[in-house]
Amino acid sequence: NAGVTQTPKFRVLKTGQSMTLLCAQDMNHEYMYWYRQDPGMGLRLIHYSVGEGTTAKGEVPDGYNVSRLKKQNFLLGLESAAPSQTSVYFCASTTYRFPEAFFGQGTRLTVV
Amino acid sequence: AQSVTQLDSHVSVSEGTPVLLRCNYSSSYSPSLFWYVQHPNKGLQLLLKYTSAATLVKGINGFEAEFKKSETSFHLTKPSAHMSDAAEYFCVVLGSTGKLIFGQGTTLQVKP
Repeated sequence: NAGVTQTPKFRVLKTGQSMTLLCAQDMNHEYMYWYRQDPGMGLRLIHYSVGEGTTAKGEVPDGYNVSRLKKQNFLLGLESAAPSQTSVYFCASTTYRFPEAFFGQGTRLTVV
Repeated sequence: AQSVTQLDSHVSVSEGTPVLLRCNYSSSYSPSLFWYVQHPNKGLQLLLKYTSAATLVKGINGFEAEFKKSETSFHLTKPSAHMSDAAEYFCVVLGSTGKLIFGQGTTLQVKP
């Protein structure tokens, strides 16, 4: 049972490049989330999804897009990376009936 | 609007003394509340959760928290701190809309 898996684990991008982070969960959870973690700022919610085909903005959505085409996958896209997007990104999933958020291992992204 | 506030960004205790990490929440409906711990350069680990059952919740490693609706608080306590408790602690709220929001975190320092 893999839980929540994020790929890739590390990435270095040049300013202006694009990339997609993949989050996959095998627990049949309805809810999925993308966060960024920066020193002293906790985890800030970027976007989230409460079901297949639905997404919503979180606290810091600018510069990011997401898609939830399949229930088990939640993709986070950076269309034109900026140095301010250098961060550690975490994906999470949970279900409302038995809430307990499960987290991926994190993706360390550096934009130069 | 749903929010969570951790009242202390940094708490310092001596080994063997009690720990109190404070968390206040705001939610339109009865929320689910969690405490997570993150050790340096590690992922997030669930300490305990409140999901509208008993208001006093016991977690791992001797931690517990009490849900007080009248005070909108969910403070984390431990009777006796151990050096291994030094870490970052996050209070998290899951509201009825599916939004999962983190507090800004409290750094717990344990002095020998």
